[in-house]
Amino acid sequence: ETGVTQTPRHLVMGMTNKKSLKCEQHLGHNAMYWYKQSAKKPLELMFVYSLEERVENNSVPSRFSPECPNSSHLFLHLHTLQPEDSALYLCASSQVARSSYEQYFGPGTRLTVT
Amino acid sequence: GESVGLHLPTLSVQEGDNSIINCAYSNSASDYFIWYKQESGKGPQFIIDIRSNMDKRQGQRVTVLLNKTVKHLSLQIAATQPGDSAVYFCAEKPPWSQGNLIFGKGTKLSVKP
Repeated sequence: ETGVTQTPRHLVMGMTNKKSLKCEQHLGHNAMYWYKQSAKKPLELMFVYSLEERVENNSVPSRFSPECPNSSHLFLHLHTLQPEDSALYLCASSQVARSSYEQYFGPGTRLTVT
Repeated sequence: GESVGLHLPTLSVQEGDNSIINCAYSNSASDYFIWYKQESGKGPQFIIDIRSNMDKRQGQRVTVLLNKTVKHLSLQIAATQPGDSAVYFCAEKPPWSQGNLIFGKGTKLSVKP
């Protein structure tokens, strides 16, 4: 285990539903990330929180809304998603300002939008 | 635009052989590189990293080689085992990034027993 947990592991939702993905890291890191992983595409960075402040939002549609209440928890709120949003959503954490830039990943949430 | 890509999308090797996975990166100023392994149903796991001031770095059964002249990165796995079967990603960190990584598409390694 990497010290990063994600729930739920699988989620099926309709286009009109509202759901949230949760990520928790037990590593004492000060940065957290949301990635989208689709088939045959590179990992896409969605959001970055450093010291609980959002520092990056890579032109992600507003139907995805992140929340970082503290340095250990990260949420991704989902609303009126589209079928093309079906993917594996990965959370990661890291310690900014260390000599290594290694990011520790959770197992992901497999999201299916019907 | 920025991109990190892989020469071979799939690689099949015999158990016990050495594996070489290649990666081409686009930003000549990137100062840090990392390899991840992703097994089915799991998130990416760190394998090894290297800074741009090095050409080679070795770990346990793995070696990363960096050729800055041609912007090429490779991962060598010695005595490949069935447990090495996974998708392998390389990633680069541009110098202006405080920690954000740019990932490649991945290479699927299959090890035949």
